[in-house]
Amino acid sequence: ETGVTQSPTHLIKTRGQQVTLRCSSQSGHNTVSWYQQALGQGPQFIFQYYREEENGRGNFPPRFSGLQFPNYSSELNVNALELDDSALYLCASSSILAGAGANVLTFGAGSRLTVL
Amino acid sequence: QQQVKQSPQSLIVQKGGISIINCAYENTAFDYFPWYQQFPGKGPALLIAIRPDVSEKKEGRFTISFNKSAKQFSLHIMDSQPGDSATYFCAAGANAGKSTFGDGTTLTVKP
Repeated sequence: ETGVTQSPTHLIKTRGQQVTLRCSSQSGHNTVSWYQQALGQGPQFIFQYYREEENGRGNFPPRFSGLQFPNYSSELNVNALELDDSALYLCASSSILAGAGANVLTFGAGSRLTVL
Repeated sequence: QQQVKQSPQSLIVQKGGISIINCAYENTAFDYFPWYQQFPGKGPALLIAIRPDVSEKKEGRFTISFNKSAKQFSLHIMDSQPGDSATYFCAAGANAGKSTFGDGTTLTVKP
């Protein structure tokens, strides 16, 4: 059983550019959540994808968008990068069971984004 | 804004001692309260979680105490070991995938 894998592990962009981060969910999981973790802070919920549709969103602007694919992998896209977007972006997969919410998040190691 | 407040920010404990980390939440709709452990360069890993229908849950050396009326919950690490040195996050949410996290506690266990 493989865990959650994210790519790239590190990347550097300049202000105004666009970035795409990728995530392969753990085998058997059908839901992907994305979190932003600034240095010295806890992860902040960006959004969740279930059945290829957004299933909840945190307090992030529309320039943060995502996709989930039929194999449950996911992408996070950020347009018009700002300096404050510099953070560790974490992907977490889980399973939504009928009649219950997602449980037991499995996190990847993250993608470290630096915006200059 | 929904918040989860965590304290202390950092904690130093001697080997064999008890580590206690506290969290408070505001949203009474939250019904899932996990604790995560994060090592440098790694993502958070679920340690233990509780739902509000119980007041305590124990798994090995780790115990969650939950006070629904006070909207507080805490993590107790018994017989703390140097390998427990990490950053610990509490979280709360309607489900695990949409959790609100605290700002973390850096635990150092001295040999």
